[in-house]
Amino acid sequence: AQTVTQSQPEMSVQEAETVTLSCTYDTSESDYYLFWYKQPPSRQMILVIRQEAYKQQNATENRFSVNFQKAAKSFSLKISDSQLGDAAMYFCAYRRGLSGSARQLTFGSGTQLTVLP
Amino acid sequence: GAGVSQSPSNKVTEKGKDVELRCDPISGHTALYWYRQRLGQGLEFLIYFQGNSAPDKSGLPSDRFSAERTGESVSTLTIQRTQQEDSAVYLCASSTGTSAETQYFGPGTRLLVL
Repeated sequence: AQTVTQSQPEMSVQEAETVTLSCTYDTSESDYYLFWYKQPPSRQMILVIRQEAYKQQNATENRFSVNFQKAAKSFSLKISDSQLGDAAMYFCAYRRGLSGSARQLTFGSGTQLTVLP
Repeated sequence: GAGVSQSPSNKVTEKGKDVELRCDPISGHTALYWYRQRLGQGLEFLIYFQGNSAPDKSGLPSDRFSAERTGESVSTLTIQRTQQEDSAVYLCASSTGTSAETQYFGPGTRLLVL
């Protein structure tokens, strides 16, 4: 079974600084996808960024980027120029990529990010 | 276009009562998922619908939980004889059902069982 581990229950960053959230996962699959979702107090899960395992290039979305280390099964999220609106719970998630199979997400336990003014 | 919607937003019930939670997916999305999120924890998969295929019920925690979906539209999650441990946020997500899909989530229903 796949597992996703987020070892940092809480993190804080100064506004305008950079922070990195860690995530490791365990799988025997070769085809899969990784995601970072953000959950503010409103409860809405918002997709931040996704990475296809077959792509060597790290995904980026504006101030958000990932460091995907496939051999190490590591998938960290870097937030640059942190803003107050980035404060939220961040979840790392894994999904199998094979067509025809169940594609539910497996989530980590989350990292609560605080942004200090 | 409109996102995933869920109702009610909050539900308070008494132990032993049945509750029904509703999810309206994004139009055209063939896949629909239900997850449960206990306080301070990550999301746990409950059930998955894909088109007209039989649903994947492997995540349902007990036979008190069931879900239905009408075609490729609305889904309802029913919890019978609710217990206090059922208190959680129940989140619904929908997607295109392709191998490269991304799941888009609704705002969830917060269930409190007294």
